[in-house]
Amino acid sequence: DQQVKQNSPSLSVQEGRISILNCDYTNSMFDYFLWYKKYPAEGPTFLISISSIKDKNEDGRFTVFLNKSAKHLSLHIVPSQPGDSAVYFCAASGGANSKLTFGKGITLSVRP
Amino acid sequence: DAGITQSPRYKITETGRQVTLMCHQTWSHSYMFWYRQDLGHGLRLIYYSAAADITDKGEVPDGYVVSRSKTENFPLTLESATRSQTSVYFCASSTVDETQYFGPGTRLLVL
Repeated sequence: DQQVKQNSPSLSVQEGRISILNCDYTNSMFDYFLWYKKYPAEGPTFLISISSIKDKNEDGRFTVFLNKSAKHLSLHIVPSQPGDSAVYFCAASGGANSKLTFGKGITLSVRP
Repeated sequence: DAGITQSPRYKITETGRQVTLMCHQTWSHSYMFWYRQDLGHGLRLIYYSAAADITDKGEVPDGYVVSRSKTENFPLTLESATRSQTSVYFCASSTVDETQYFGPGTRLLVL
């Protein structure tokens, strides 16, 4: 049973526009959520996170929104740039052992 | 430069051979993790370790063995490689704050 779901496998947006990447989770014990970005032939890199006590966290062009009642989070990238083209993984954690559960990822393409 | 490294970066082996993938981190992070990435599955946890000499199974541990005699090293061994273990393997480390930092990956092909 997939506990973290990224239902759209890909997203294409134009440079300068907003990219919205969605993620849903089923485990109500999750209390910390992260987004990772991955370029081909590289390891995932941490992008932004949010604790369940917040509903928004912003870092430059990246904002993560958390809707606990809907068990849904989203990553907004504004404005989108061609260098943002990558695979984005949503991840969630609950408990003290630092384990993360990842979604399958979404491929973002930003068109010049 | 401090960080997390993996070796080898690429490996080709044959079915039935033993293969060890190495992971080394210089941050003294207590937690270390091994994942595999496959099309359609995202990142799946193989094994993790909370500290030296403490390891535990993840989601897909069958066919793999780990050890952690030193905090900075976390090798992953495929005791008898199978074609289904062809994948990209990522090592990661973290402190207790749950943000994991990943190595560059090892691309393994089992013929």
